[in-house]
Amino acid sequence: EPEVTQTPSHQVTQMGQEVILRCVPISNHLYFYWYRQILGQKVEFLVSFYNNEISEKSEIFDDQFSVERPDGSNFTLKIRSTKLEDSAMYFCASSEHSQETQYFGPGTRLLVL
Amino acid sequence: KNQVEQSPQSLIILEGKNCTLQCNYTVSPFSNLRWYKQDTGRGPVSLTIMTFSENTKSNGRYTATLDADTKQSSLHITASQLSDSASYICVVSAASGTYKYIFGTGTRLKVLA
Repeated sequence: EPEVTQTPSHQVTQMGQEVILRCVPISNHLYFYWYRQILGQKVEFLVSFYNNEISEKSEIFDDQFSVERPDGSNFTLKIRSTKLEDSAMYFCASSEHSQETQYFGPGTRLLVL
Repeated sequence: KNQVEQSPQSLIILEGKNCTLQCNYTVSPFSNLRWYKQDTGRGPVSLTIMTFSENTKSNGRYTATLDADTKQSSLHITASQLSDSASYICVVSAASGTYKYIFGTGTRLKVLA
């Protein structure tokens, strides 16, 4: 069964460093999403992406964040200058159509020191 | 302010018993409501999606209901199994041109043998 994959599974970085989180969505899906979940808190929507552009973003998704689909398979989330409060689990998801089932990846646990 | 509240916060039941989880929301304009199951440290897995016009939707032992007038939803789990132990998250999609996803804090369910 097709699934969303994410790499790395864990990432430790120093405050101020740039990180790139990678996702491979399900191949025939057209809509892509990033979410984050701070330890012990609820999942929060960051951004949705369709047709090579951002279709919606939350207040969390500020200028420090960017997303890109550099090729036909990868979908990346970049954090330019990480802060301690960026430490969280980051989930990628994809869906075939806009308001249909979203399939989540296993997540990348980011720790900023 | 768009909010999704879930109750109870946590629940312990015996294997084989039924349970019902609640979700109240103040999201406008409403697009759809989703229930997810999230195992600890894993990505959420979709259980049901309901639009404004749907009152009930089932997925195996999971049955979700929606009352769009009172802005309430419930998730009923029948004949619980040990593997049902997880967090159950209610997510409401707000439609304002594009879509934002507002997550509840979840109900942590523990099923005991």
